[in-house]
Parts: sequence; structure tokens; C-alpha cells
Amino acid sequence: GAVVSQHPSWVICKSGTSVKIECRSLDFQATTMFWYRQFPKQSLMLMATSNEGSKATYEQGVEKDKFLINHASLTLSTLTVTSAHPEDSSFYICSARDVGVQPQHFGDGTRLSIL
Amino acid sequence: GEDVEQSLFLSVREGDSSVINCTYTDSSSTYLYWYKQEPGAGLQLLTYIFSNMDMKQDQRLTVLLNKKDKHLSLRIADTQTGDSAIYFCADQTGANNLFFGTGTRLTVIP
Repeated sequence: GAVVSQHPSWVICKSGTSVKIECRSLDFQATTMFWYRQFPKQSLMLMATSNEGSKATYEQGVEKDKFLINHASLTLSTLTVTSAHPEDSSFYICSARDVGVQPQHFGDGTRLSIL
Repeated sequence: GEDVEQSLFLSVREGDSSVINCTYTDSSSTYLYWYKQEPGAGLQLLTYIFSNMDMKQDQRLTVLLNKKDKHLSLRIADTQTGDSAIYFCADQTGANNLFFGTGTRLTVIP
């Protein structure tokens, strides 16, 4: 159980393009979803936390207008990287958890490459 | 803020036991986790321990928690080549706050 599906797994696009990444909880209701960014050979950096039906809470230094997060249902959150540039190239990973203090379950990540 | 530290590399021979260590600084931890990340993939939850426990065993995995010293370890018995990956410990201090270590790259030598 506790499967999180992330799509797409790999995106290559031109500079200036907006890219949407989906994160779905397949067998549980994800009241809270998290978006992380991971640079090569580094640990995960939390970008934002979103609760279903409310606005996301962004970590310091993360541009909310650049990284749009929507958590419209208990099983789906989306991250849109708007007008992506090469410096946005990274590995983006989502996680989700059910109600209460539960472990976070992670998706397989999306590798974003901006040319 | 919370600081979670791990050694960067560990090499073991196939069949030996691996011990990956982690230290953290926040004394108000609720849960501590071990995640595994294979190349190009997301994180796989291996196991977790509640902060009032000292030990948890799950098949080949044994987690030890020394709350006084704020030290967490993951022992993998009979390590196999498929165990080669990066292992992250993570410390949860509230409902949402999850702090990750830098990750330990485990290399299993056949």
C-alpha cells in the first residue's frame, strides 16, 4: 500500500516553456503533499507543503509565482514550473501522507531538463 | 534549525552487515525514518521508528535509536548487491517538518 505516482518521469523542453508535474496518491487519501527539489549528489530540499483545498505554504527562498502548486483533491497535487529556464533543471520529487502524524511516501521523481 | 548528519560513503562486501549512522540535533523528534534512493529514482521508505522506541527490527533491517545521544543507525544484515543505493535518514519534528540527512552512498562489493 501507500503508493505515490509521479508523472512525467522525465521532461526535456526549451527555455521559456511551462511544465506541469503531477503527483497522485493511488491507494490512500493524501491530506498533505510535499514538493522537494534535489540537486545532483545532494539531499532533498523542501520547496512547499500543500494541504488539500488550501494554498500551499512555500519555504523561504522559493518563488511562489515561479512554482505554482495546486492540491485540488485528496489524491492529486500538481507543480507547474512557469517559464522554465536552465537553472530550473533539477530532480523534483513529491511526497504525500495521510491524516495525522504518518510517514511521507514518495513518488519516483521527475527529471526536468531545460535547454 | 534541525541539523541531520550522515557519513557520505560506505563500502561493504556482499554477505557482510552494513551499518549506516545518522546524528540529529532536535530533541523534539517524533519519528525517525530511513529511506533508500536508487539511481534516478525517488525515495523508498524502508522503515521508521517512533521516538520512544530503542530498536525496531524488520527482516534484514535493524534500527537502533539512542535518544540521549541523538544517534540513529540502520543495520542491514547479509548485504546484497541490490542494496547498493543512497540511504537517507530523516527526522520528523512535528506533523510536517521532515529534515533529511545528506545521504550515505552504500556500495556493495561482490
